[in-house]
Amino acid sequence: AQKITQTQPGMFVQEKEAVTLDCTYDTSDPSYGLFWYKQPSSGEMIFLIYQGSYDQQNATEGRYSLNFQKARKSANLVISASQLGDSAMYFCAMREVVYGNNRLAFGKGNQVVVIP
Amino acid sequence: DVKVTQSSRYLVKRTGEKVFLECVQDMDHENMFWYRQDPGLGLRLIYFSYDVKMKEKGDIPEGYSVSREKKERFSLILESASTNQTSMYLCASSFAVRGHPQHFGDGTRLSIL
Repeated sequence: AQKITQTQPGMFVQEKEAVTLDCTYDTSDPSYGLFWYKQPSSGEMIFLIYQGSYDQQNATEGRYSLNFQKARKSANLVISASQLGDSAMYFCAMREVVYGNNRLAFGKGNQVVVIP
Repeated sequence: DVKVTQSSRYLVKRTGEKVFLECVQDMDHENMFWYRQDPGLGLRLIYFSYDVKMKEKGDIPEGYSVSREKKERFSLILESASTNQTSMYLCASSFAVRGHPQHFGDGTRLSIL
């Protein structure tokens, strides 16, 4: 069963506007973590932001913030004041523990294109 | 800054060849990972290692093996390359600490002809 779901089709966003990328997850473990990564066309995966399941506040990191709704099992990424350099694929990932080892389960990604 | 270095950015090999992909990290991370990335499928975990000489199968280990003789180096081996192994391969490393992100290399785009 898919653990991380990212279903939005490719998105176009106007420069300087905000964009929200949806991510829902499935786990029965009360302790988990959620990560967002950015992958520009050059291919490298860049870590953006992390939210722990026990964190009381939504994570923020510069222009990135996480809208964490635990009861709905969603962890949406909000990018404020979009820039041309934000054009990329964005992946949501969840930390899971398998036989005592931490690993990440990734969603299939959201494509974002920022237009001037 | 964390540095994860993959030996090749682009690689072209022939069907049946034995292929080695190398990954080196400089942050003394315990955990290392190999993923492949295909359009529409996201990242899929092939193998990971949480210590020297230790390895665990990921979700798609068939046709691959790995080696971790030193903490900083994690090698992915395609025993007998096949065309369906044409893909982008990404290496990552992390501390074995909850909440610590995985840091990725730039990827190797491997083509099997």
